[in-house]
Amino acid sequence: GAVVSQHPSWVICKSGTSVKIECRSLDFQATTMFWYRQFPKQSLMLMATSNEGSKATYEQGVEKDKFLINHASLTLSTLTVTSAHPEDSSFYICSARVRTDRGSYEQYFGPGTRLTVT
Amino acid sequence: LAKTTQPISMDSYEGQEVNITCSHNNIATNDYITWYQQFPSQGPRFIIQGYKTKVTNEVASLFIPADRKSSTLSLPRVSLSDTAVYYCLVGDMEYGNKLVFGAGTILRVKS
Repeated sequence: GAVVSQHPSWVICKSGTSVKIECRSLDFQATTMFWYRQFPKQSLMLMATSNEGSKATYEQGVEKDKFLINHASLTLSTLTVTSAHPEDSSFYICSARVRTDRGSYEQYFGPGTRLTVT
Repeated sequence: LAKTTQPISMDSYEGQEVNITCSHNNIATNDYITWYQQFPSQGPRFIIQGYKTKVTNEVASLFIPADRKSSTLSLPRVSLSDTAVYYCLVGDMEYGNKLVFGAGTILRVKS
């Protein structure tokens, strides 16, 4: 199956600093990637849709100036959490969409990045 | 986006077959049904996807009735390592559509 990687797998940063998380599709090209956030014992919450070569589309309530998304190539999307605060501490997961031979789309997820802001 | 409803939790024993049913009354014509498995502190893992009738792969089967308003994920002979959260999602994904996760079903497999 399609493989999606994330880097780093975990990061600790101080309040007020910025953190960049990378999401890569390893064996396929992805024109569309997604970023999710998951708090403990909760489901995944979609933050934004990242399209290669264009601006990301953010979900309602997600601050686009705080969560900067860049999808500069067909295999890489990055999420930068700017001026991080403790309430941004969460599990961030990316996914990439791939078209199947049947004509449908399947979405594959990365392993996630644990962000802790102190 | 079609809303999905799943049981909050299910318990089973090793070696049993587990069936998790998902209700999606407002499924659209172009929507596919996809199931994911998630372990703690890991990203969701794709299990199976289907549009109608029955789909089977090496880990699970997906049963979809003719009206497509529900679907059932079948896990044969579960083991302790199948303890996880299982999500049922419905969506097109082709025309900018996106997958929105519900609460999922916590499956606990006991020995």
